[in-house]
Parts: sequence; C-alpha cells; structure tokens
Amino acid sequence: DTAVSQTPKYLVTQMGNDKSIKCEQNLGHDTMYWYKQDSKKFLKIMFSYNNKELIINETVPNRFSPKSPDKAHLNLHINSLELGDSAVYFCASSPSVGLQFFGPGTRLTVL
Amino acid sequence: AQSVTQPDIHITVSEGASLELRCNYSYGATPYLFWYVQSPGQGLQLLLKYFSGDTLVQGIKGFEAEFKRSQSSFNLRKPSVHWSDAAEYFCAVGASGGSYIPTFGRGTSLIVHP
Repeated sequence: DTAVSQTPKYLVTQMGNDKSIKCEQNLGHDTMYWYKQDSKKFLKIMFSYNNKELIINETVPNRFSPKSPDKAHLNLHINSLELGDSAVYFCASSPSVGLQFFGPGTRLTVL
Repeated sequence: AQSVTQPDIHITVSEGASLELRCNYSYGATPYLFWYVQSPGQGLQLLLKYFSGDTLVQGIKGFEAEFKRSQSSFNLRKPSVHWSDAAEYFCAVGASGGSYIPTFGRGTSLIVHP
C-alpha cells in the first residue's frame, strides 16, 4: 500500500534519447509535484499540478513535459536527454500547504 | 518570497550524543515549517511540522523542533543520536498565504560515529 510510487527506480540512457518517469499516489491528494535533486542534494521544484491542472512551471527546459491523466498520476516525459539532466527526480503529493509526501525517487543517468 | 538557510553542510556526532541542526527562515508572516529526513537512496520523509500553537513540536523517531519567531529559527533536536539517524536533513518553509510550494533548505548531512 505504497503512498507515492515512482517507476522506474533507476534509468540509464544515452544522450539524445527520450524517456518517461511515472508517478502514482493513492492518498487522494489534489496536488502533485516533480522535483529535481542534484548531486549536491539541492531540491528544486520543477512542476506542480492541482487536480490535473498545471499551477507551477519553474524555469525548466521545454524538453521536460509533465502529463497528468488524472489527479492520482503525474508523469514526466523528457525529450532529447542531456548530460546535465542526470539527477534524482522525486514525485510528491500534498494535502495542504507545504506538507509533502515524497516518492522513493528515480535516479536518471545520462551517458 | 520565503527562503531557508541551513548553515551547516555537515554535522558529525558520536552515537548517544545530543544533536541540534540549525534552520533559519525568512518570511513576512507566520510560516509553516517542516523538517524532512532523507536516508541514503530514499525519498524524503516528514519528521515534524509546525503550523501554529505550541512552539515546541514533537516528531517521529524522537526528534523535536522549536519555533522561535524572534530568531526566525526552527532548530531540530534529538537528545541521543542513534547510528540509524545518519541521513540528510532538510528544513522547509511553506507560505501560510496559500502557496502549496514549500521552499527547502540545502540540507545538512548528519554523520554518526560509533
């Protein structure tokens, strides 16, 4: 009964490829997020969706496209992967201000 | 805009010793404050939160934190550290004005020596 799940856990791919990361939450929350954590552990918000609607889109290259088919899912598609995209990507969901429930993360390595 | 500072990048303590991790925030009104822990290879887990009321809040795993408005601080404490507490700790501030997006500090890495 995992609250926030992500797949895959590890993703190794070549530069230029397109890949997707999936996220699902079974907590009934309306708001979901994608974060990027760099090698220095800094967490940066990328996107936020509330009830399938995009509400936050930070300065992220348009190669990154979130998709929310329903409020329990928020997937992240990345086109034309670059070396600098290597990071750990976290999905999270939230019932209220600031309180976040995080997924286990997806470690993306671009070769 | 809110901001969070965790002045210590690394903290090393001996097992059984007490711990205090510092967090300072900047926000114009009463903030919502959080501490999260990230064990190696894991996602972030909420340790405790402050929304209002008693300024000393208790969390999971024996942690507590105290909100001090005069110092704009929300330091995390534990009286006796266990080796399993070795992890990355993140302080976060959420705007009470309605934004759902918290701002995270850069994290403090806790190293526990036997």
